[in-house]
Amino acid sequence: DGGITQSPKYLFRKEGQNVTLSCEQNLNHDAMYWYRQDPGQGLRLIYYSQIVNDFQKGDIAEGYSVSREKKESFPLTVTSAQKNPTAFYLCASTPGQYATNEKLFFGSGTQLSVL
Amino acid sequence: RKEVEQDPGPFNVPEGATVAFNCTYSNSASQSFFWYRQDCRKEPKLLMSVYSSGNEDGRFTAQLNRASQYISLLIRDSKLSDSATYLCAVILGYNFNKFYFGSGTKLNVKP
Repeated sequence: DGGITQSPKYLFRKEGQNVTLSCEQNLNHDAMYWYRQDPGQGLRLIYYSQIVNDFQKGDIAEGYSVSREKKESFPLTVTSAQKNPTAFYLCASTPGQYATNEKLFFGSGTQLSVL
Repeated sequence: RKEVEQDPGPFNVPEGATVAFNCTYSNSASQSFFWYRQDCRKEPKLLMSVYSSGNEDGRFTAQLNRASQYISLLIRDSKLSDSATYLCAVILGYNFNKFYFGSGTKLNVKP
């Protein structure tokens, strides 16, 4: 079955540590996205990538980094510069580079907590 | 001002009731509109796209009002299984890769 796989489901970060969240898709989608969701909040865009080897900052990119070396993979690193990383992280994709009237396909999410 | 705003609720309704949510958006250049359903600690799932002429899918009806810049979702004959958070999403016209989400409206359907 095609879809988006996020791992791990739960992740704990120690003070000063960088952690990487994995996102893999086998849908052959061009565009991929990372969102952050805090309790009672909507989704906020961290980074997105329209094509391989290119990505753009979203609204809350500070303290995060990404790479897009392969079409199917879009890992997110939460760096120690992100002072409040506890949140639910969602990876998503859309078929085309431009999401005009296209729906987002979501992974099942990673809950990141600080120890 | 937020791009997309929703009443957080919760809306507590009995089974069988009709309930409606609104979602306002601030940018008149917004092009595409969606309703997503999200269960606790799960990923959002697309419920409906919202078209200019309005659209219906079973017990769910979505409407778009461009003049007043809001979209609505009507749920008829509410079921216990409809209990969830409903997120609206908007794609802004000048950046087709950015979906803006509201904070969600929580619905509790009670027996």
